[in-house]
Amino acid sequence: EVQLVESGGGLVQPGGSLRLSCAASGFILRSYWMHWVRLTPGKGLVWVARITGDGTGTTYADSVKGRFTISRDNAKNTLYLQMNSLRAEDTAVYYCGRDQDGTGPTVDYWGQGTLVTVSS
Amino acid sequence: IVMTQSPPSLPVTPGEPASMSCRSSQSLLHSNGNNYLDWYLQKPGKSPQLLIYLGSNRASGVPDRFSGSGSGTDFTLKINRVEAEDVGVYYCMQGLQTPFTFGPGTKVDIK
Repeated sequence: EVQLVESGGGLVQPGGSLRLSCAASGFILRSYWMHWVRLTPGKGLVWVARITGDGTGTTYADSVKGRFTISRDNAKNTLYLQMNSLRAEDTAVYYCGRDQDGTGPTVDYWGQGTLVTVSS
Repeated sequence: IVMTQSPPSLPVTPGEPASMSCRSSQSLLHSNGNNYLDWYLQKPGKSPQLLIYLGSNRASGVPDRFSGSGSGTDFTLKINRVEAEDVGVYYCMQGLQTPFTFGPGTKVDIK
């Protein structure tokens, strides 16, 4: 059974940093591109970042480019999102998702999400 | 690419059909013939789930009462007989070019 379990969310002050993790099981992680997507009350779902199966290719939303870094450790079956210079507008539930087949960003499995709150 | 959805809210009656629209600011039709448009449902308190990919392909395990249609810039998601479990927010998402973008959602609830 495919499972994705996020962790690492919490309360952080503006300007602070946080690293999210997504533990994958039930499939061979290195065979799949992966995504981070966030849900905010005001904007709904927003795509954040994508990474290729071997980790050599990354793409970001303009709103997080230069501040967030997506990475992966296939040996540990884990996806990461390093978030720096956090802003209030980064407050959201963050989901990791598996890309169905790499031909388009269709996410066929989602984690349960982890809440990030940026506030002083 | 900017995505819009209508209506923003859709009260439905169980057993009756329902339909919602998604429009993109640019054509999502690729030269390979695929429309890079997916539909997701986020039920209350749950993670999003994939319903339809590439405009009209039902995802594994999705009931056949859900269907997607359209091409280019105009897409439709139909539920031919709504069930109570179908409540939630329906999002369309374009996957033609980065940054990938979602529509604002259509919230479906029971009348």
